[in-house]
Amino acid sequence: GQQVMQIPQYQHVQEGEDFTTYCNSSTTLSNIQWYKQRPGGHPVFLIQLVKSGEVKKQKRLTFQFGEAKKNSSLHITATQTTDVGTYFCAASGGYQKVTFGTGTKLQVIP
Amino acid sequence: EPEVTQTPSHQVTQMGQEVILRCVPISNHLYFYWYRQILGQKVEFLVSFYNNEISEKSEIFDDQFSVERPDGSNFTLKIRSTKLEDSAMYFCASQTQRSGNTIYFGEGSWLTVV
Repeated sequence: GQQVMQIPQYQHVQEGEDFTTYCNSSTTLSNIQWYKQRPGGHPVFLIQLVKSGEVKKQKRLTFQFGEAKKNSSLHITATQTTDVGTYFCAASGGYQKVTFGTGTKLQVIP
Repeated sequence: EPEVTQTPSHQVTQMGQEVILRCVPISNHLYFYWYRQILGQKVEFLVSFYNNEISEKSEIFDDQFSVERPDGSNFTLKIRSTKLEDSAMYFCASQTQRSGNTIYFGEGSWLTVV
C-alpha cells in the first residue's frame, strides 16, 4: 500500500529559527495536503497542493510539491512558540482514502 | 466556522464490551471518514463513507468495526468486543467533495479499553 514518510520525526528549534519538514511518498500522488495538530488537539487542514512543482505561501509558511509529485516540503520562516505542534502531510492517490505521513513534531524553545 | 462534533469526548470501557462513537458531520458535506490515532503515533485511515455506504476501508477496519448513518445527520462508528489495542483517539471527519476540498476533523473521542 501507499506509504508516506516524513523527516525529521522531531525537531527542536530556537524561536526565530527556520524549520523544514519533508514528506516522501512511495507512489505518485494526485495531491498532497498538510495538517497541523497541536498537542492534545485534532488535525487542522493547512493547505492542499495539486500541481507538479507547485509552491504556495501562507504568511511564514511555504509549501512545495515536487516536480515528480512524490515529495513535498513545509518550511516555516522565523518560528514562533505558536508554531508548536505536529505537522503531518497527507497524501491522496486519487481515491477517498487519505494516507497520513508519520508526522514531524516541532518544539520551539523561547 | 463549521464544525464536526463528536461524542463522547472520552470513554473508558471494559475489554470485550461494545462501544459506539458518534459524530455529527458538517451539514452540507457528503463524504465522511473515521480515522484513528494511537497515542504518539500518526493518524490512520479507517473508513470512508459516501451515499450511505462504505466506499473504502483500511486493513484495520475488520469485522470488529462497523459504521452507520442512521438518521441522515449522525455518523457512528461501532466497535464490537473491544480489545486493549483499540485504545486510541478516534477522529471523525467530513468533506464536501471527494477531492480538492478541506477535510474537517472533529475534536476526537478518546477511547480507553481496560
